[in-house]
Amino acid sequence: GENVEQHPSTLSVQEGDSAVIKCTYSDSASNYFPWYKQELGKRPQLIIDIRSNVGEKKDQRIAVTLNKTAKHFSLHITETQPEDSAVYFCAARGDSTLTFGKGTMLLVS
Amino acid sequence: DAGVIQSPRHEVTEMGQEVTLRCKPISGHNSLFWYRQTMMRGLELLIYFNNNVPIDDSGMPEDRFSAKMPNASFSTLKIQPSEPRDSAVYFCASRTPGGSSGANVLTFGAGSRLTVL
Repeated sequence: GENVEQHPSTLSVQEGDSAVIKCTYSDSASNYFPWYKQELGKRPQLIIDIRSNVGEKKDQRIAVTLNKTAKHFSLHITETQPEDSAVYFCAARGDSTLTFGKGTMLLVS
Repeated sequence: DAGVIQSPRHEVTEMGQEVTLRCKPISGHNSLFWYRQTMMRGLELLIYFNNNVPIDDSGMPEDRFSAKMPNASFSTLKIQPSEPRDSAVYFCASRTPGGSSGANVLTFGAGSRLTVL
């Protein structure tokens, strides 16, 4: 089955700086890569996703890049704000289910 | 739409007791997933259903865990007997049918926080 590795596990940045979270996946057949944000005590919520026929996607301050050859994808947050503080999960769709990374706790101070 | 609805939001029980968690997916979503979240193991898929039929239950940790989906609008996850190591947040999620513009978008419920003493 699919295996998703996510790094770093924690990330501390100053307000206004950029944050980058990286994930790798194992199943070359995976074709859908969403990112979820989970605030403390809340449910994971989709913030952006990318499909395998696209190399990059942007939505305001967040962007995701995908390198299918290397089997890795990344989340980029620019001009970070305190409300960006949360746990971020990457995921990859292997067969018909999502496999999640272990999460990155982002702290913006 | 009210989204994915889970109950109870919090459950505290004693070891050995039966626990039943409930989920109502978003109307029109034909896939339903049960995940367990812990600090150590992150988000783990327990089981998922397509059109009310269990497709993959390989993530169910033990025979003490069982899940049903008697109709398109209701699913249960049961633990009997419960153990302290079952303490976790259990999320239900549903997904739009394949082929639509929103295909593969997984929407989570608010979760059920289970504490087994």
